[in-house]
Amino acid sequence: TQLLEQSPQFLSIQEGENLTVYCNSSSVFSSLQWYRQEPGEGPVLLVTVVTGGEVKKLKRLTFQFGDARKDSSLHITAAQPGDTGLYLCAGENYGQNFVFGPGTRLSVLP
Amino acid sequence: NAGVTQTPKFRVLKTGQSMTLLCAQDMNHEYMYWYRQDPGMGLRLIHYSVGEGTTAKGEVPDGYNVSRLKKQNFLLGLESAAPSQTSVYFCASSYFHGQETQYFGPGTRLLVL
Repeated sequence: TQLLEQSPQFLSIQEGENLTVYCNSSSVFSSLQWYRQEPGEGPVLLVTVVTGGEVKKLKRLTFQFGDARKDSSLHITAAQPGDTGLYLCAGENYGQNFVFGPGTRLSVLP
Repeated sequence: NAGVTQTPKFRVLKTGQSMTLLCAQDMNHEYMYWYRQDPGMGLRLIHYSVGEGTTAKGEVPDGYNVSRLKKQNFLLGLESAAPSQTSVYFCASSYFHGQETQYFGPGTRLLVL
């Protein structure tokens, strides 16, 4: 069974601060996705990374896929209250179903 | 264009009762999925379907059954509910498998007493 770990589990920061959350596994994934989930709603896809070492930027969010395709990070610059939510990573192994991590719950205080 | 919708939004069951959760998508997606989300455990795949008339088991299928008689609908059934099935259930759909975007519904919160 492939497992994904995410850290930290909880993070509370002030508006304007920078932060990084991590997604780690001992397994190799062919692609990895990051989702954001707000209370009472389903997850919404933020990005898909497919190449080892790949870096993708989405406005203030920067996503990186590890060279070995076992880990990923999400960096948020100048966090805003609208960034508050549960951040989930999900790994796919060559056509198999996605495996989700437990998530990092982020709270950005104004 | 409603995307993925789920019915009901919230339900309370007694142990041993049965119920069906309905998922509908209007994006003409081939793939549909049922997940459960529990605190600290992320989303776990229950069953999935790769097309009309097909279903397959996911990571945690025990105690659940599914049917996909129409392409746009994916039903999740609990024949005899147990307290361990208290969870939030999410349906998702995607056009293809793998790197494709999964579109999630708003979830069904189920409490089994």
